Amino acid sequence: GIQVEQSPPDLILQEGANSTLRCNFSDSVNNLQWFHQNPWGQLINLFYIPSGTKQNGRLSATTVATERYSLLYISSSQTTDSGVYFCAVVMNTGFQKLVFGTGTRLLVSP
Amino acid sequence: DTEVTQTPKHLVMGMTNKKSLKCEQHMGHRAMYWYKQKAKKPPELMFVYSYEKLSINESVPSRFSPECPNSSLLNLHLHALQPEDSALYLCASSPGKGQGRVAEAFFGQGTRLTVV
Repeated sequence: GIQVEQSPPDLILQEGANSTLRCNFSDSVNNLQWFHQNPWGQLINLFYIPSGTKQNGRLSATTVATERYSLLYISSSQTTDSGVYFCAVVMNTGFQKLVFGTGTRLLVSP
Repeated sequence: DTEVTQTPKHLVMGMTNKKSLKCEQHMGHRAMYWYKQKAKKPPELMFVYSYEKLSINESVPSRFSPECPNSSLLNLHLHALQPEDSALYLCASSPGKGQGRVAEAFFGQGTRLTVV
């Protein structure tokens, strides 16, 4: 099956710092989403981004589908950004099977 | 409204108990999912329902039994679970084939299950 690897696995930042999270996938996909999982387990939708670039406040994301990767940028990080960030993909040949990446655990300290 | 509601939020059950997890969405989505997430791991797909029909079963043990009574509701019936089944169970929905962003998924808050 498809492999979805995220890097780095862990990241510690000071409040106000910027960061880039990466998601690599091993096969063609027709959907890619970024989620933030808060400490209570809730998966919050950040971006639906099968290709191109999108921005939402301090967050932006870029997916280059032909090169099989996506990037999530967090600028001016805040303590509330802490948690686990997952990318998740649906394969072109797969019927709505959303496969999650390995995750990046982010801790933003004051 | 992009809300998926799961009940209960927490559940403790014995190995001989029968319990059910419930999930509800009112976004008109026609695909619904159950995922299982162990601590410090990504969610893993268990079941997919499309237009109220089971379309994917990821070789889940029969002690987990899904049910989709209508397009808004999804249940997961639990029976004779083992302690290793303790996990966060997440429900999700997406528009489904023939609708907008076919596979953009929205997740509920999850049910944290402990089997004793």
